[in-house]
Amino acid sequence: DAMVIQNPRYQVTQFGKPVTLSCSQTLNHNVMYWYQQKSSQAPKLLFHYYDKDFNNEADTPDNFQSRRPNTSFCFLDIRSPGLGDAAMYLCATSRGYETGSYEQYFGPGTRLTVT
Amino acid sequence: RKEVEQDPGPFNVPEGATVAFNCTYSNSASQSFFWYRQDCRKEPKLLMSVYSSGNEDGRFTAQLNRASQYISLLIRDSKLSDSATYLCVVNLYNFNKFYFGSGTKLNVKP
Repeated sequence: DAMVIQNPRYQVTQFGKPVTLSCSQTLNHNVMYWYQQKSSQAPKLLFHYYDKDFNNEADTPDNFQSRRPNTSFCFLDIRSPGLGDAAMYLCATSRGYETGSYEQYFGPGTRLTVT
Repeated sequence: RKEVEQDPGPFNVPEGATVAFNCTYSNSASQSFFWYRQDCRKEPKLLMSVYSSGNEDGRFTAQLNRASQYISLLIRDSKLSDSATYLCVVNLYNFNKFYFGSGTKLNVKP
């Protein structure tokens, strides 16, 4: 049973054309994360939500935005994709350290191609 | 300095071999430690949490050395299916944020 679901699995967009990636979870976890991963590199945290509290990483470009309308869903919006934004985008969840649980669970990722 | 550092490898080992990976972390406030496995073009999957006393799960053993700020993963009797990239992940005390190493690639050959 899928616990962290990402749609679409593959996305092709044109240079400069806005794109939205979605993530949903059935785990009822408090925290949702968005990572960018390029080939042979570690996942790079873009931002995370604890419930509705948004936490942006200092080096995340303004081109990347996120929304979490409810516990289950989180969206990544790329306002004007550049060629350098082509990557795998991973959504992850965790209960949150406040619960004493630190493990993260990842979705299958969305592979973004920018043409 | 990176928060988490790993030898990128690749480690090329024959089936049945024992192989060990180390990972060092820079922040002494690090609280929780994990090994994830990532197959090519797939998402990371949790392999093991690493506890202070060390822990074992079948052929896999993880150790934590807080004094020297490193964690290790030992794989015994390597299988072809163990070929993957192994990511070391560290979490700071009271933070919902994880730091990833860049991964160590393992190739197990027949």
